[in-house]
Amino acid sequence: DAGITQSPRHKVTETGTPVTLRCHQTENHRYMYWYRQDPGHGLRLIHYSYGVKDTDKGEVSDGYSVSRSKTEDFLLTLESATSSQTSVYFCAISQGGSGTEAFFGQGTRLTVV
Amino acid sequence: DQQVKQNSPSLSVQEGRISILNCDYTNSMFDYFLWYKKYPAEGPTFLISISSIKDKNEDGRFTVFLNKSAKHLSLHIVPSQPGDSAVYFCAASRQTGANNLFFGTGTRLTVIP
Repeated sequence: DAGITQSPRHKVTETGTPVTLRCHQTENHRYMYWYRQDPGHGLRLIHYSYGVKDTDKGEVSDGYSVSRSKTEDFLLTLESATSSQTSVYFCAISQGGSGTEAFFGQGTRLTVV
Repeated sequence: DQQVKQNSPSLSVQEGRISILNCDYTNSMFDYFLWYKKYPAEGPTFLISISSIKDKNEDGRFTVFLNKSAKHLSLHIVPSQPGDSAVYFCAASRQTGANNLFFGTGTRLTVIP
C-alpha cells in the first residue's frame, strides 16, 4: 500500500470555525491531491499540488485553501467551515500527474454542525 | 455537469459469474481511464487502467474494454468472488496538461455466494 496518512480521520466542527486536514506521504511522489466524496457526485478535485509551494485549483475549490511546504505534507484548510463542506475528504498522490494512477489515503470524515 | 457517468448505482451477481460494470464519458479529450474499487471506510484502491491507444487491457480476473467511438468503457470481472463486493468508480483524465481525475458516481457491486 502507498504510504499515505490522513489526519484526523474524523472531525466534528462548528459552522464558522477554521479546520485544517493533513495529508502525509512517505512515497516521495511529486503530485498530491485533495478530493471530496459526496453522494451523487463521486469524487471531485478540490486542489492539487505539483511540487513544493506549487498548487492549483480543482473543480470545487471555493472555500478551501491548501499549502505544501514540504514534499511529504499537503494541508487542506477550510477557512470558515460551512455545512455544505460536510463530506469525506480524500488525499491522493501520484508520481506523474496526468496519465498515471493516483493512490488514495483512507479519508477524513468531516461534519460541520 | 457530470463528465463521467455510471448509470447503474448497483449490480448483484452470483459468485463465479461475470460482473460487467459500465461507464460513459462525454469529454472527447479524455484519453486515460481508470477503475477504482472502494470498501466502506477506506480510500479508493486502484484496479486497472487503459490508455486510449488500446481497446482492451487485462489484469488477472479484471479486464477493461474501451470503445472510443461510443465514449464507453466497461470493467469485466470473471469469475466474480464475494470479496469483490464493493463500490467501483470509473475515472477519466487527459494524459497531458490537466492533472484532474474525473470520477463517476460509482456502482455498488454485490457478489452473492
